[in-house]
Amino acid sequence: DVKVTQSSRYLVKRTGEKVFLECVQDMDHENMFWYRQDPGLGLRLIYFSYDVKMKEKGDIPEGYSVSREKKERFSLILESASTNQTSMYLCASSLDWTSGRAGKNIQYFGAGTRLSVL
Amino acid sequence: RKEVEQDPGPFNVPEGATVAFNCTYSNSASQSFFWYRQDCRKEPKLLMSVYSSGNEDGRFTAQLNRASQYISLLIRDSKLSDSATYLCVVNGGEGGGADGLTFGKGTHLIIQP
Repeated sequence: DVKVTQSSRYLVKRTGEKVFLECVQDMDHENMFWYRQDPGLGLRLIYFSYDVKMKEKGDIPEGYSVSREKKERFSLILESASTNQTSMYLCASSLDWTSGRAGKNIQYFGAGTRLSVL
Repeated sequence: RKEVEQDPGPFNVPEGATVAFNCTYSNSASQSFFWYRQDCRKEPKLLMSVYSSGNEDGRFTAQLNRASQYISLLIRDSKLSDSATYLCVVNGGEGGGADGLTFGKGTHLIIQP
């Protein structure tokens, strides 16, 4: 089974703090993603990475950065946390994003990190 | 911007009934379609992929209608444990990446005893 592990289930941080959210996958997947999920807004893509040291902005990258130094690990960084970044953060990975290769682009999610910024 | 639209519900359905919901997508070049299930305060998990010919997995049937650009999910003999939010996911036809990953906001299903 694919396992995507997020380092924390719950985090409470203060406004202005630098926050690191870690995600590790054990299936040698090429692609990794960071989403946030808010009531009524669904899943929104923050950043994704299709290879080590490669990253692409998603729909809402402002206020976030990412790091992928190793294939299995994808980190989300909140440079200066703000209250509007209080949310559920979900990491996902997939083998391949090429949509023509059946099954390769299925995304597997970690359990999520519920972040509260006070 | 490619869109995936779902009725948010909630759908309140008695146990044992059949329930169906649809999802429409805007990108006619989309090639991959999925239904994910998300329980309250949990992560989304793949329920089933949706194939062009339609596919069935036990009590669940998924259909794809390319002409009208929608996919559907049918649940027969619903169980209390089917209560969840069902997310429609469509991958685009333009090479994937951010452009290819679109999640619907989900349909909330409540099965009542």
